[in-house]
Amino acid sequence: DADVTQTPRNRITKTGKRIMLECSQTKGHDRMYWYRQDPGLGLQLIYYSFDVKDINKGEISDGYSVSRQAQAKFSLSLESAIPNQTALYFCATSDSRRGDNEQFFGPGTRLTVL
Amino acid sequence: QKEVEQDPGPLSVPEGAIVSLNCTYSNSAFQYFMWYRQYSRKGPELLMYTYSSGNKEDGRFTAQVDKSSKYISLFIRDSQPSDSATYLCAIRPGAAGNKLTFGGGTRVLVKP
Repeated sequence: DADVTQTPRNRITKTGKRIMLECSQTKGHDRMYWYRQDPGLGLQLIYYSFDVKDINKGEISDGYSVSRQAQAKFSLSLESAIPNQTALYFCATSDSRRGDNEQFFGPGTRLTVL
Repeated sequence: QKEVEQDPGPLSVPEGAIVSLNCTYSNSAFQYFMWYRQYSRKGPELLMYTYSSGNKEDGRFTAQVDKSSKYISLFIRDSQPSDSATYLCAIRPGAAGNKLTFGGGTRVLVKP
């Protein structure tokens, strides 16, 4: 079984729609992250959470919001999707007790906004 | 200027050749250096991690860090078709703050 799961894996939506991407983990890690990946730009951090009550903005948080419902769940919302949010989205986790250098990534969600 | 620069490639090599990948960075506060490998349609996975300047070996992989030049490298010896992937460097500060900054990734294709 996958340790970090993301749903949905693919989503096509229209401009202006609200979209939620979900992430669950069974690794018992305290820290969770949302990234987007665009060709040639690597991974850009959207939001990160060090525990359930600690949510922080990353480099590109505008147009996104998150919710950490439990230690194992971290969801990303696009309140009103726009075409330049078309990208590959990854959730990741890390364990603060192990120094955070290794982040474990989910399989990604491919989002297309028309 | 991006904090971490990485040539996007693609880098195409014959099987058995040495693959040489590198990144440059601008902020001397970065002290932890990682290489992630990402296969097509998959999430990245950690390949190697190093802290100090110098070389670190793990099987066919060698990571090299030159903090004075702000330059990191990854070498893959005896490359295999299964090494075909995108390789991303990632770095983070040594002090408080655990966010990784990723390079754009280099796509590598090892031809049989």
